[in-house]
Amino acid sequence: DTGVSQDPRHKITKRGQNVTFRCDPISEHNRLYWYRQTLGQGPEFLTYFQNEAQLEKSRLLSDRFSAERPKGSFSTLEIQRTEQGDSAMYLCASSPQRINEKLFFGSGTQLSVL
Amino acid sequence: DAKTTQPPSMDCAEGRAANLPCNHSTISGNEYVYWYRQIHSQGPQYIIHGLKNNETNEMASLIITEDRKSSTLILPHATLRDTAVYYCIVRVASSGSRLTFGEGTQLTVNP
Repeated sequence: DTGVSQDPRHKITKRGQNVTFRCDPISEHNRLYWYRQTLGQGPEFLTYFQNEAQLEKSRLLSDRFSAERPKGSFSTLEIQRTEQGDSAMYLCASSPQRINEKLFFGSGTQLSVL
Repeated sequence: DAKTTQPPSMDCAEGRAANLPCNHSTISGNEYVYWYRQIHSQGPQYIIHGLKNNETNEMASLIITEDRKSSTLILPHATLRDTAVYYCIVRVASSGSRLTFGEGTQLTVNP
């Protein structure tokens, strides 16, 4: 068990550019979650996958955001035409499929949009 | 999910017990109380959860009042490494349901 891995740890981009983050969950965890966290706030839910199916999306996930989990293993989160308001920590978590499962979080990708 | 209320910050002396309160007066019968913590620059970490009964594990104890409207997380012997933001969350007992984080309590353990 190597934990949830996120790449990159830090990303600096210019406004208007596209960025993509990757999350590798704990192997055999079939649930995967994306959260966003801004300074001083708790994490906010963005979206959730069970295997390759995206089962829930928050209203926070505008049409500039897209998440995929093509083979039910790793996931990517893409932000198109980034805005300064997208600057945040993007956290990924995974869990097994059972009632009251614990979520295991990665260390996040810190995005700065200049 | 029910809303929770936590103090924004608390201090604790190293080696003493840290008691972190949480109010969840609108909790429903099928909602569990969860605690996570987040150490600076890391993702949140699960601590403990419970429904009605008090719970204890290797990290902490969770005391839930009989009416379930509030709870207390107890770290019996706080260390400097316990300095973190602690989040109290209530969550429906169904698989896949989201965690809704509030702003949490910043616990600072002082030497």
